[in-house]
Amino acid sequence: DADVTQTPRNRITKTGKRIMLECSQTKGHDRMYWYRQDPGLGLRLIYYSFDVKDINKGEISDGYSVSRQAQAKFSLSLESAIPNQTALYFCATSGREGVQETQYFGPGTRLLVL
Amino acid sequence: LAKTTQPISMDSYEGQEVNITCSHNNIATNDYITWYQQFPSQGPRFIIQGYKTKVTNEVASLFIPADRKSSTLSLPRVSLSDTAVYYCLVGENNAGNMLTFGGGTRLMVKP
Repeated sequence: DADVTQTPRNRITKTGKRIMLECSQTKGHDRMYWYRQDPGLGLRLIYYSFDVKDINKGEISDGYSVSRQAQAKFSLSLESAIPNQTALYFCATSGREGVQETQYFGPGTRLLVL
Repeated sequence: LAKTTQPISMDSYEGQEVNITCSHNNIATNDYITWYQQFPSQGPRFIIQGYKTKVTNEVASLFIPADRKSSTLSLPRVSLSDTAVYYCLVGENNAGNMLTFGGGTRLMVKP
């Protein structure tokens, strides 16, 4: 079973709709992240959470909100979707593996906003 | 945050050794250098991390000169399946949130 899962994997929605992307992890990590990736570009950090009570804005948080329901769950919401939020969204966790802080990514959610 | 600069793309052939260099002139004392690999439509995957000199694992080697202003990811005897985007990240080892993914290097391995 995958360590980091995302649902849905693909979603088409319309401008103005509210949409939630969900992420679950079985790594037991405290830290979780949401990124977006646009075609041909790198990943940009939207929000991150160091534990259930800690939520922080990333590089591009406008238009997004998050909820850390439990250590294992971190959801990303688009309150009112707009076409330029069409992208590939990745959830990730991070933990120290020995001496290394390593990030583990989910399979991604491909979102299309019409 | 230490900014990184990598080539946008590289081409290679099966069986060759590939070296991808990353520049990070403003690396801080507490920063580590980490490389990730990303296949199309998948999340990035950790490859290797180092602080100085040389690190080797079953996938790659990482060479870091004494001044740490650059690093080189070395992939021995690449295959077609190594075609991917490779990201160089620099940041503190205990602050995963501070890792910034740039555009990466798009490696194309040809038969």
